[in-house]
Amino acid sequence: DAGVIQSPRHEVTEMGQEVTLRCKPISGHDYLFWYRQTMMRGLELLIYFNNNVPIDDSGMPEDRFSAKMPNASFSTLKIQPSEPRDSAVYFCASSFIAGGPSEQFFGPGTRLTVL
Amino acid sequence: AQSVTQLDSHVSVSEGTPVLLRCNYSSSYSPSLFWYVQHPNKGLQLLLKYTSAATLVKGINGFEAEFKKSETSFHLTKPSAHMSDAAEYFCVVSPGSYSSASKIIFGSGTRLSIRP
Repeated sequence: DAGVIQSPRHEVTEMGQEVTLRCKPISGHDYLFWYRQTMMRGLELLIYFNNNVPIDDSGMPEDRFSAKMPNASFSTLKIQPSEPRDSAVYFCASSFIAGGPSEQFFGPGTRLTVL
Repeated sequence: AQSVTQLDSHVSVSEGTPVLLRCNYSSSYSPSLFWYVQHPNKGLQLLLKYTSAATLVKGINGFEAEFKKSETSFHLTKPSAHMSDAAEYFCVVSPGSYSSASKIIFGSGTRLSIRP
């Protein structure tokens, strides 16, 4: 397996533009997580899915952020409109189960810069 | 409630000397504990995990960690540092039973630098 795949790896956009980040989890994993990493806040859980259904989106910063998982092998995180404070590295991770002793497998991340 | 504290934001050691990265946790449950490593411009990778079996856990690349319930600690060690160990290390606490992923807590990270 190629591991968790994220695209693009880098994204530079201007304030007000729509940004879409993509993730392909490891095949067979039932859980998918979106994280944001910044120097100020560290690693934050934004939302996670179980069997394509969003379970907890309490970490999503505001209505400008939305996430979907139309099938077991694809998820998107969308920011519309984007703002400079959204600049961060966004990670997608997947696992067999949530919580407990289950390891999460992380993708390489998307570095987003909003000018 | 759960929390995790990484006591050092930055640790610098010389190549070939021991590494100690400190982590203290607080948990209402019997927790699972993890150490992840993040190399520059990479995602996080699991180093090792404790899940209520042996208290001394061995991981990849020669790292190990000891779960000490009395001290609520899960410090990461390695006998001899290598240049390739330079990275950010995250201590993570999770409820011991399978439950909401929202209860997983990541530490703030410790940046490990290795001097030649």
